[in-house]
Amino acid sequence: GAGVSQSPSNKVTEKGKDVELRCDPISGHTALYWYRQSLGQGLEFLIYFQGNSAPDKSGLPSDRFSAERTGGSVSTLTIQRTQQEDSAVYLCASSTGSGHLYEQYFGPGTRLTVT
Amino acid sequence: LAKTTQPISMDSYEGQEVNITCSHNNIATNDYITWYQQFPSQGPRFIIQGYKTKVTNEVASLFIPADRKSSTLSLPRVSLSDTAVYYCLVGDKGNTPLVFGKGTRLSVIA
Repeated sequence: GAGVSQSPSNKVTEKGKDVELRCDPISGHTALYWYRQSLGQGLEFLIYFQGNSAPDKSGLPSDRFSAERTGGSVSTLTIQRTQQEDSAVYLCASSTGSGHLYEQYFGPGTRLTVT
Repeated sequence: LAKTTQPISMDSYEGQEVNITCSHNNIATNDYITWYQQFPSQGPRFIIQGYKTKVTNEVASLFIPADRKSSTLSLPRVSLSDTAVYYCLVGDKGNTPLVFGKGTRLSVIA
């Protein structure tokens, strides 16, 4: 079946502009996660959703970052007033449940470059 | 969460067995050990998960000694396509975000 998809695959934006990144999880997966990965680094957790609610927003680096999920499906990560340090690959993952024991299925990521 | 330590990089020739060891001295009673694999320009992919002793699937084996303070991911007869970063993670069912370190970069050489 279809995996996790993300769009756009690449995004180049000017410093100070807003960007929206989209994630389409696997159908039926109730948990959805956002991570980001800077060059050569491990993954940094940003936020996760169980259904449409976000029990854990602890990883969002600043109030410029926000995310929402509608209909228990698609999620959008919005970064306002982008800064150069926001440049990274943003990865979305989904799973059938929340918690370490559930396998997370990752999308291919959105590569964001802020110039 | 238990901290994990694994080698930064490893090299191997094609056809060899590769063992990547992860140290997790502070692992808790309810923690499980999970390994993910990440190819260049892709998101990570689940490989294997275990609690104790040995787990084997079609991709790899996971060896966990009795004290569970370390674990070893074993990849049999690696090929060039196994070149990737391998992450060791530790957590229990209540730990929701996966905590990734920098992983081990495995390079397979022809």
